[in-house]
Amino acid sequence: GAGVSQSPSNKVTEKGKDVELRCDPISGHTALYWYRQSLGQGLEFLIYFQGNSAPDKSGLPSDRFSAERTGGSVSTLTIQRTQQEDSAVYLCASSLVTGAGNQPQHFGDGTRLSIL
Amino acid sequence: AQTVTQSQPEMSVQEAETVTLSCTYDTSESDYYLFWYKQPPSRQMILVIRQEAYKQQNATENRFSVNFQKAAKSFSLKISDSQLGDAAMYFCAYRSTQGGSEKLVFGKGTKLTVNP
Repeated sequence: GAGVSQSPSNKVTEKGKDVELRCDPISGHTALYWYRQSLGQGLEFLIYFQGNSAPDKSGLPSDRFSAERTGGSVSTLTIQRTQQEDSAVYLCASSLVTGAGNQPQHFGDGTRLSIL
Repeated sequence: AQTVTQSQPEMSVQEAETVTLSCTYDTSESDYYLFWYKQPPSRQMILVIRQEAYKQQNATENRFSVNFQKAAKSFSLKISDSQLGDAAMYFCAYRSTQGGSEKLVFGKGTKLTVNP
């Protein structure tokens, strides 16, 4: 597609349920990132994929959070046993990786997650 | 760890006037990248401008320019001839060139209002 696509756009679920958020990056972009944006806050890094591997997962807040990427394309962020503090907008971004390190990240519209 | 500080939670400007948004950062690295992103109510993060730390010349993109002061670790954004469509949240971001992670570190943002 032309841009980064995220689904669903909005998700409302009950506390304790598991949720899966999907990100489809720009075709040809080998790098993929997940960020979390809580209300009125900046973006908080969660995890970075290069191809199918995740060299940096230092931002995942707890072991309830996991992510995978298959085929070097689509990524899924899973949150198990959701808590109210997980409510946020989850943004995905992708970029080329050229070795020069100067490629910008292109963002999707995000998934707004609300935990009741 | 690197940090990014945006000291102005909110700013306002009259249409056609000029406004400057502040950003400072903390790092011990000599080579890195800096970005300004715009986030309108639609949630999508849009790249406004980027600067490589090794370049002394300030980056410009049409009505947008930066004042990069490496020694002071300052990276302000100037918007000239402000337009109603410039109203949005603006985020300053830092990216390291070391450590193998391509993640962005964001400030908390500045909400810009443009008055007609």
